[in-house]
Amino acid sequence: KAGVTQTPRYLIKTRGQQVTLSCSPISGHRSVSWYQQTPGQGLQFLFEYFSETQRNKGNFPGRFSGRQFSNSRSEMNVSTLELGDSALYLCASSLTSGAPWKTQYFGPGTRLLVL
Amino acid sequence: DAKTTQPTSMDCAEGRAANLPCNHSTISGNEYVYWYRQIHSQGPQYIIHGLKNNETNEMASLIITEDRKSSTLILPHATLRDTAVYYCIVRVSGGSQGNLIFGKGTKLSVKP
Repeated sequence: KAGVTQTPRYLIKTRGQQVTLSCSPISGHRSVSWYQQTPGQGLQFLFEYFSETQRNKGNFPGRFSGRQFSNSRSEMNVSTLELGDSALYLCASSLTSGAPWKTQYFGPGTRLLVL
Repeated sequence: DAKTTQPTSMDCAEGRAANLPCNHSTISGNEYVYWYRQIHSQGPQYIIHGLKNNETNEMASLIITEDRKSSTLILPHATLRDTAVYYCIVRVSGGSQGNLIFGKGTKLSVKP
């Protein structure tokens, strides 16, 4: 079956703009997590959605938000972009939330460049 | 949350076994050890996970010490395509459901 897909794959924005990234999980997966990856900070957890509800949130400012639709697809939004928001944004899907044996399957990521 | 410590980088000759260590001395009894890898410019790829018994799958073997304070990921016959950053992660339990906390990982370079 198809893996996790993310759109767009590459994006260039300017400071102050906003951006919306999309993630389609593996069919049947109901949990979607978002991560930000930068060379200096590595992979950092943004938030997780399960059944259209945000289950957990990482330590990011309120400019970062997300949502999940009834078909489990998820979007994340970053408002008032800053140069430091330039990163690879990864989405991961899994069957459920909270099961210790579960694994997460990652998409290819969206590379965002803020100028 | 239990944290992990991994060497920054390692080299391995092609065809030889790659042994990647990870320390997780503060791991709790209900926390699992996961291994992922990330090839340059791609999303992380799940490799293997375990609780306390050694595990093996088509990609790798995971050896967890009896006290569970450390583990080793073994790639039995490393190839050039195994060059990647390898992350050892301890599953966050309790209220923080559904997320994995990634550290810096080990950059494995497989050389011909």
